[in-house]
Amino acid sequence: ETGVTQTPRHLVMGMTNKKSLKCEQHLGHNAMYWYKQSAKKPLELMFVYNFKEQTENNSVPSRFSPECPNSSHLFLHLHTLQPEDSALYLCASSQPQGSSEAFFGQGTRLTVV
Amino acid sequence: GESVGLHLPTLSVQEGDNSIINCAYSNSASDYFIWYKQESGKGPQFIIDIRSNMDKRQGQRVTVLLNKTVKHLSLQIAATQPGDSAVYFCAENKGNQGGKLIFGQGTELSVKP
Repeated sequence: ETGVTQTPRHLVMGMTNKKSLKCEQHLGHNAMYWYKQSAKKPLELMFVYNFKEQTENNSVPSRFSPECPNSSHLFLHLHTLQPEDSALYLCASSQPQGSSEAFFGQGTRLTVV
Repeated sequence: GESVGLHLPTLSVQEGDNSIINCAYSNSASDYFIWYKQESGKGPQFIIDIRSNMDKRQGQRVTVLLNKTVKHLSLQIAATQPGDSAVYFCAENKGNQGGKLIFGQGTELSVKP
């Protein structure tokens, strides 16, 4: 238990569906992140939120839409995804300053059919 | 561009032996490096970190070595146990924020009983 909880753990969705991934942290952190982990590839940073404000979007397609209503919750809204978007989506949290350890959730295994 | 990579995708060791996992990075301006362990079905878990003003740091059964001259990072695991079987990633802290990380490809460590 890392203090970062993601739901659902597994998700299968069609290319025309709309779904959302949820992340919640109980660590009192003020920064939250979405990462994508595809098979045989390194983790890739997608979005960064500091104090509920998005501070980084690493050229992520608009079919991925993040939302951070407060410092403890982070969502990733999905719509009209492609099969190549199938991956493990990981949420992390930390304090915003450097050298602050990042804690990861267990991830949501997403399959787009 | 910036990248953090690992030399070998897989490593197999005998239980009780020492393991050495290597990583090369390309951004000489990086000042903070982290090793993560990822077990099957779980998110990455922090193992140990090191700042660029150090060349060695020890934890419980683990040691990280940093050679800035050749931009090389290594993780040594003493007396490797079956529970150490996992994928190990090195990561570089990006932009002086704890959770903004550039990950390497990963090395899968298998421990034979």
